Amino acid sequence: KAGVTQTPRYLIKTRGQQVTLSCSPISGHRSVSWYQQTPGQGLQFLFEYFSETQRNKGNFPGRFSGRQFSNSRSEMNVSTLELGDSALYLCASSSHLVGGGNTEAFFGQGTRLTVV
Amino acid sequence: ILNVEQSPQSLHVQEGDSTNFTCSFPSSNFYALHWYRWETAKSPEALFVMTLNGDEKKKGRISATLNTKEGYSYLYIKGSQPEDSATYLCAPSNTDKLIFGTGTRLQVFP
Repeated sequence: KAGVTQTPRYLIKTRGQQVTLSCSPISGHRSVSWYQQTPGQGLQFLFEYFSETQRNKGNFPGRFSGRQFSNSRSEMNVSTLELGDSALYLCASSSHLVGGGNTEAFFGQGTRLTVV
Repeated sequence: ILNVEQSPQSLHVQEGDSTNFTCSFPSSNFYALHWYRWETAKSPEALFVMTLNGDEKKKGRISATLNTKEGYSYLYIKGSQPEDSATYLCAPSNTDKLIFGTGTRLQVFP
């Protein structure tokens, strides 16, 4: 059974640009969550999608957005990149909603974004 | 907003030592407590998901307990091995999201 796949693994962008990250969940999983990790910070929740609907959103500015497709694949977009957006972005998939549930999340290896 | 604290921040032990970490969280609006192990250059991997006060779970040499009334969970590793070296993350959830602590970084020396 294939795991969670994130692409690309590494990305370098310039301030002001936008970026799209992709996450393919485990087959059959309907929930995809996104997290940001910066040095010294724990994983910060961005949003969770379930059956193409955003169910929950973390405390991030509107520059961070996402969507989920009918095959459960998800994309995350960051517009007008800032230096502080440099981080490791992780996605996780689950068979049920992670927030409000007791189902474990399966993580991808992440996309390392560097903004210069 | 949940404030999750994990202690210690880092730990260095010798192979064979037993060790334990603590995860503290506000007990209000609690729904479940997740523990993850994150090895360098790999993905976080779920160890346990616990929901009930007094829950105890075990996987090999690793076990965890949960106290939802006072808002803490302990993770124990018996007879640490070098392959246990990783960052251990706890994440309580309320009704809509997981809130991760900053983790305990464990290094086990042979």
